[in-house]
Amino acid sequence: AQSVSQHNHHVILSEAASLELGCNYSYGGTVNLFWYVQYPGQHLQLLLKYFSGDPLVKGIKGFEAEFIKSKFSFNLRKPSVQWSDTAEYFCAVTLRGNNRLAFGKGNQVVVIP
Amino acid sequence: NAGVTQTPKFRVLKTGQSMTLLCAQDMNHEYMYWYRQDPGMGLRLIHYSVGEGTTAKGEVPDGYNVSRLKKQNFLLGLESAAPSQTSVYFCASTPGQGTSPLHFGNGTRLTVT
Repeated sequence: AQSVSQHNHHVILSEAASLELGCNYSYGGTVNLFWYVQYPGQHLQLLLKYFSGDPLVKGIKGFEAEFIKSKFSFNLRKPSVQWSDTAEYFCAVTLRGNNRLAFGKGNQVVVIP
Repeated sequence: NAGVTQTPKFRVLKTGQSMTLLCAQDMNHEYMYWYRQDPGMGLRLIHYSVGEGTTAKGEVPDGYNVSRLKKQNFLLGLESAAPSQTSVYFCASTPGQGTSPLHFGNGTRLTVT
């Protein structure tokens, strides 16, 4: 079955540490890839997206993600996190031409000041 | 510019009661979605609509019904609420292309006792 996998559901790190969240998908066709962020008590917001071209995409707030087609992965990174990055992060995938977005189970990230 | 508006924000139901959640968007989007978010489960698609007058089942449709009589509104109904339907419900919309990100509402927190 098609799925989106996110590992290490709970991540705790200190300010200025680097963050990397893994995302793997099992779709066989051409995909569109997204990372969404949900700050405490808020709705999901788009962090970044990849459709085609340069596999390294940059999003808001210093986040970036790299699409590695051979590994079916779209990992999210930030070199130096801040307390305000405390949130839940969701990877999402849709097949090209299909508007049904499938979400991973999320990564709860807590940044300690 | 309101974006996606969900009403109500909170609701407590007793088992067996019915209710309707309303989602309204003012962006003229074709596609609308209802997701439920549960701890450790990510977002799961309940039903979606690709245009006025159309609806389709998502990943977890049982116990829910939807209607899209007007393009701007997408209603989610629970005919006989069950404790398993305690969740946070998010509505989202998108113009219709797979490359367009979802715009989310602020969510409805439903508790069924």
